[in-house]
Amino acid sequence: DVKVTQSSRYLVKRTGEKVFLECVQDMDHENMFWYRQDPGLGLRLIYFSYDVKMKEKGDIPEGYSVSREKKERFSLILESASTNQTSMYLCASSGSLPREYGYTFGSGTRLTVV
Amino acid sequence: AQTVTQSQPEMSVQEAETVTLSCTYDTSESDYYLFWYKQPPSRQMILVIRQEAYKQQNATENRFSVNFQKAAKSFSLKISDSQLGDAAMYFCAYRSRGRGDKIIFGKGTRLHILP
Repeated sequence: DVKVTQSSRYLVKRTGEKVFLECVQDMDHENMFWYRQDPGLGLRLIYFSYDVKMKEKGDIPEGYSVSREKKERFSLILESASTNQTSMYLCASSGSLPREYGYTFGSGTRLTVV
Repeated sequence: AQTVTQSQPEMSVQEAETVTLSCTYDTSESDYYLFWYKQPPSRQMILVIRQEAYKQQNATENRFSVNFQKAAKSFSLKISDSQLGDAAMYFCAYRSRGRGDKIIFGKGTRLHILP
C-alpha cells in the first residue's frame, strides 16, 4: 500500500516562527499536494507539485511556500506563522496512471499557532 | 472552473439502515473522475469509491455504491446496512482526466450513526 507520512501529528508554534511541515511518500508518485482543512470550508489547496523542483500555487498560497528537492518529499513552509494559519494540514500524493488518480492522504498535522 | 457541492452539512441514520449522501458538480468536460472520501474522527482520509465518467455502470464497493447521473451532474453515495464505523465526514471530489490534475473537494457531509 502507498504510504504518505507527515512528520508531526500535532504542532504548537509561536506567532512569527518559521514552520516546516514535512511529507514523504513511498510509491514513487509524481504528484504531491498540500491542503488545509477548516470546519465549514472543506479542503483548500495551498500548493502542489507535479515533479521534482517544480511547484504551482493552489487557491490559498499566501503566507506559504513549498520545497520539493526529492521526488518523495514535499515540504510546506510557513514563513512567519500567524494565528490564522492554525489549521489541519493534509498532504496527499497521486500517480500518473489512471488507477493512481485518487489521492492517498497522510494522517494530517494539526498546527496551532499561539 | 469546476465546482463540487454537497448540500447536506450533516445527516443521521439509524444503525443497519440505508443512507444516501448527495453531491452535485459543475464541469464543461466530458471525461473526468469522481470520488467519495471518508474521514473518520481524528483519523486519516481514505478513498471509499471512485467513478470514471465514461463508464455508465455505477461503481460499487461492498456496502457502498454510487448513483452517477452524468447529464444531471449528480454523484450520490449510498451506504447500505449502516454501521457505527461509518460515522465520519464524507467528501465528494472531482478530478479532470489529465495527468497530474488536482482534485476539487466539496465541503463535506458529517454522517452520524444512531445506535
